[in-house]
This record gives sequence, C-alpha cells and structure tokens, in this order.
Amino acid sequence: GQNIDQPTEMTATEGAIVQINCTYQTSGFNGLFWYQQHAGEAPTFLSYNVLDGLEEKGRFSSFLSRSKGYSYLLLKELQMKDSASYLCAVNGDYKLSFGAGTTVTVRA
Amino acid sequence: DARVTQTPRHKVTEMGQEVTMRCQPILGHNTVFWYRQTMMQGLELLAYFRNRAPLDDSGMPKDRFSAEMPDATLATLKIQPSEPRDSAVYFCASGLRPPGDTQYFGPGTRLTVL
Repeated sequence: GQNIDQPTEMTATEGAIVQINCTYQTSGFNGLFWYQQHAGEAPTFLSYNVLDGLEEKGRFSSFLSRSKGYSYLLLKELQMKDSASYLCAVNGDYKLSFGAGTTVTVRA
Repeated sequence: DARVTQTPRHKVTEMGQEVTMRCQPILGHNTVFWYRQTMMQGLELLAYFRNRAPLDDSGMPKDRFSAEMPDATLATLKIQPSEPRDSAVYFCASGLRPPGDTQYFGPGTRLTVL
C-alpha cells in the first residue's frame, strides 16, 4: 500500500519562501511528483524527482531523499498567484498515489 | 497547445440514472488515467489504461462503474446506476511512458447526483 503525508495548510507572506514537506512509505518507487492545483481547477505538473537531490525550476525547487522517504517542494519569492493546493504524488508500480495536499495561502 | 479534454464539464443527474463521462487524451499519449476527487478522500485513482488495455481498475466500484477505451482518442467512464455518494470531480489524465510518467490532467467533470 501507499502512505503519503504532507501538512494540511501553510501560510506565508508575499515575497517569502515556503517549504512543503512530504514523507512517503510505498511498496514501489518510480519517482515523486509535485502538482499544483488551484481551487476549482485541474492539477498541473510542477516537478519530478527520481534520483536523490535537488531539482530547480525557476522559483520552484524539489528535493528527494529516497533512503529517508522524504521530499520537499520549495517555493521562493512567493506571489499571490501561488496560493493553491500542492499535491505530493508517488509513482509506485507506474500509477500515482497522491497525498491529501497542502493548501498554501499567500498573504500580502 | 496539446491538452486533455473532458466532456461534459458539469453534470447534474438524479440517483439511479446512467452517467457517461468522456475523455480525449493528448495525441500520442499511451496511458490514460481516471481519478475521482472529493474533499474527504482527495484524489483517488479509479482506473488506468496503457495502449488502450486496462491495467488496473482496482480503485473502481465494480458493480456500478466501468471504464473503456474504444479507440486511442477516446476514454469513457460510466456509472450505472449513479448514487449521491458518486458526487465528485472526475479527472482524466494522460501520459507517455517511457520515458517519463508525467501525467497531464484534463479540466474535470463535476458530477452531482441528487
């Protein structure tokens, strides 16, 4: 089975940095994804990690440690439009299992 | 701009009625996934197909749900009979593996069963 944990909510100020942690216990591992989902919209792909280390993509970075079953998504220079739910998803046996999502609220 | 399309976007129906949701995956993608999202359960995988063959539908209530891919450009999810607890947003996603398994989501069908 799959067990994926991430915080329910986080609040941060515009221009700040927020780190969303995700821990997982899965029966197989073929990569970890982060998706962003705005209210009422579909999830959109943000990042993919399959090897240990940091992947950087503009203001967003994602880190993976397979031995610890741990990942984080780092959002830098927060903007109001970053207010959304962020979903951690593990690819085990080539199907994704999603965490419940972390709702990030960016305040002015 | 390649996108996954889904129809209808919204559906309101009465308990006991049949509901059919349709998905057109991105051209060239060979995997198709159906998900259901609710506030209580989050995103749940219902079924997935690779090269039109069903590989896993263990997340789907078998007695009332069915998923098919009649051709490479169409995937369907059918509920018969529908129940109020089926009210949710149903997402279709497609991907291409190999090389990666990134899934691209459609806009979803918001289903309300009264």
